[in-house]
Amino acid sequence: EAGVAQSPRYKIIEKRQSVAFWCNPISGHATLYWYQQILGQGPKLLIQFQNNGVVDDSQLPKDRFSAERLKGVDSTLKIQPAKLEDSAVYLCASSLVGGLAVYNEQFFGPGTRLTVL
Amino acid sequence: SQKIEQNSEALNIQEGKTATLTCNYTNYSPAYLQWYRQDPGRGPVFLLLIRENEKEKRKERLKVTFDTTLKQSLFHITASQPADSATYLCALPPYSSASKIIFGSGTRLSIRP
Repeated sequence: EAGVAQSPRYKIIEKRQSVAFWCNPISGHATLYWYQQILGQGPKLLIQFQNNGVVDDSQLPKDRFSAERLKGVDSTLKIQPAKLEDSAVYLCASSLVGGLAVYNEQFFGPGTRLTVL
Repeated sequence: SQKIEQNSEALNIQEGKTATLTCNYTNYSPAYLQWYRQDPGRGPVFLLLIRENEKEKRKERLKVTFDTTLKQSLFHITASQPADSATYLCALPPYSSASKIIFGSGTRLSIRP
C-alpha cells in the first residue's frame, strides 16, 4: 500500500514570497490533515478536511495560509506571503475515517521542510 | 487551558534496559491517548492507542499505561535496542473535538550499545 506522498521535500524562499505544498493521501482515506512542526516541537494542526470539506481550520493563519482539497483527494497548502516564522516542516497526514470515528490512526507523509530567509 | 507535557530532556539509556517515557496532561479527561514514533527527517508513525477505560496495552516490546486519576500515560520499551532511538510523541484529542488530536513536544530517546 502506497503511503502519503508530499512534494517538494525541501523548499527555500525569501520572506514575502509565496510557496505551495502538495499532498496525496492514502487511497480511500476520507480525512486529510496539514500540520506545522517547528524544530523541537510536536506537530500543530493547521487544517483538517473530511472529504473535500473543512472540519477544522481554527489554527490556520488565514491572512496568509490557504488550503484546498479538490475532489476529496489531493490537497495543496499555500503560504502567501511567507514570514521568517513560517520556517518549519509541513506534514500531511490522512486517516481512513474522521469525524465521529474517534480512534483512527493517522498516517503521515515525509513532510516538506520550508526555510524562509 | 489544556496542556500536554513530555520529558523535555533527551533520555539516554543502555541497550537492553527498559526505557520509560512520560506524558502528562492537564485540565480535562481525554477519551483516548496515542503514541507515535518520529525519526529525523520523517513523519510520525503511529504505535499504540489506549482508551480511557484501559489501564494497560502491550505490543511486542512496547507497553503503555493510562492513569486517568494521575492524568498520565507511561510508555515503556523493554529490552531496548539502538534501533529504538527516535523521538516519541504522545497525542490526545482536545476536549473541544474528538476527531482531531493534539501532540506533545516529544521526548528524544537514545539507546547506546
